[in-house]
Amino acid sequence: AQKVTQAQTEISVVEKEDVTLDCVYETRDTTYYLFWYKQPPSGELVFLIRRNSFDEQNEISGRYSWNFQKSTSSFNFTITASQVVDSAVYFCALSDLDDKIIFGKGTRLHILP
Amino acid sequence: DAGVTQSPTHLIKTRGQQVTLRCSPKSGHDTVSWYQQALGQGPQFIFQYYEEEERQRGNFPDRFSGHQFPNYSSELNVNALLLGDSALYLCASSSPWTGYAGELFFGEGSRLTVL
Repeated sequence: AQKVTQAQTEISVVEKEDVTLDCVYETRDTTYYLFWYKQPPSGELVFLIRRNSFDEQNEISGRYSWNFQKSTSSFNFTITASQVVDSAVYFCALSDLDDKIIFGKGTRLHILP
Repeated sequence: DAGVTQSPTHLIKTRGQQVTLRCSPKSGHDTVSWYQQALGQGPQFIFQYYEEEERQRGNFPDRFSGHQFPNYSSELNVNALLLGDSALYLCASSSPWTGYAGELFFGEGSRLTVL
């Protein structure tokens, strides 16, 4: 069965600090996709990134970076030089080819001014 | 370009009642998925509609049903409401061009409270 674990329920950091959100996944499939979504207080989930299981290259997008390691079944998300606007709940998610996405329980991130 | 729109945004029902939630997908999208998000939890997949048919279903009872219309909009119906059905119901749409597990665009959700 597929499973996504986000062990950090809540994190608080001071603005400009770097922060890493952890994600560990379980799947028996060899082909799968990993995602990160951001959920601000408005409730709408905002897509951040999708990675397929064959692409282990790390990705950087501005202040955001993602570290995908198949050997440890992890897909961690780092925000560099955090800002107050980064405060939100962040979800890691997993999908195989059946197009059904399984979400973790989320990590609530507080960026303190 | 309007994104995913959902209605109503908030509603309150009592146990045993029935509710219908509505979703209009992002322009150009033909696939609609519904998720239930209980307080403090991640979204859980309910079902997905494509070409007016239920294509996939999560682990939800038959009290949860849906429909997709020719214009790709969708409804989620929940019968015989239970207190545990209180949640944020999220609709997501996706494009036929992104293939499987494509990027989902979410609406802001309908918050249902069952008393």
